[in-house]
Amino acid sequence: DQQVKQNSPSLSVQEGRISILNCDYTNSMFDYFLWYKKYPAEGPTFLISISSIKDKNEDGRFTVFLNKSAKHLSLHIVPSQPGDSAVYFCAAVKLTGTASKLTFGTGTRLQVTL
Amino acid sequence: DAGITQSPRHKVTETGTPVTLRCHQTENHRYMYWYRQDPGHGLRLIHYSYGVKDTDKGEVSDGYSVSRSKTEDFLLTLESATSSQTSVYFCAIRAPGTTFNYGYTFGSGTRLTVV
Repeated sequence: DQQVKQNSPSLSVQEGRISILNCDYTNSMFDYFLWYKKYPAEGPTFLISISSIKDKNEDGRFTVFLNKSAKHLSLHIVPSQPGDSAVYFCAAVKLTGTASKLTFGTGTRLQVTL
Repeated sequence: DAGITQSPRHKVTETGTPVTLRCHQTENHRYMYWYRQDPGHGLRLIHYSYGVKDTDKGEVSDGYSVSRSKTEDFLLTLESATSSQTSVYFCAIRAPGTTFNYGYTFGSGTRLTVV
């Protein structure tokens, strides 16, 4: 049962344009949503997060939008740069009393072309 | 990330042999996690720990065991490796707190091949 889904395995965008990565989820009880970026042969690195009580969070070129009614979140990268080429994972967590556990999507490979 | 290291970085082992992967942190964080990454599956949780000697299963724990005898070390053991356990394994740590603004910090991963 895939609670967090990324339906686009890959995306190609020209440098300077907007990249939009999408993620859908099924569990309405999630408290936080996060995006991670992963380069080959490295571990995922945290990019940006959003609380379930908000609908937008912005950090420089990166903005995450949350649409709770549609159970959908998206990551916008503006402008896209070649260094943004990586695999992006969305993740979600329901806070619990013990170790809250992130549930990840399957990832979207972003390629930013010159 | 200097705060979390995984060893070995690469390993090739034969089917049926035991394998132990190590995760070491210098951050003194309470929570530690083991994930595996496979194409088409993203990252899936194997086991996690919420303190010394306190561990629990994740969604894909069959065939794996863990131990945490010290805050800084979290060991993942494949009791009898199978080809289906060929994967990239990531350890992660998290500081305690009520918010999740910064998520986990991941290690660089261990690429395990079972032949």
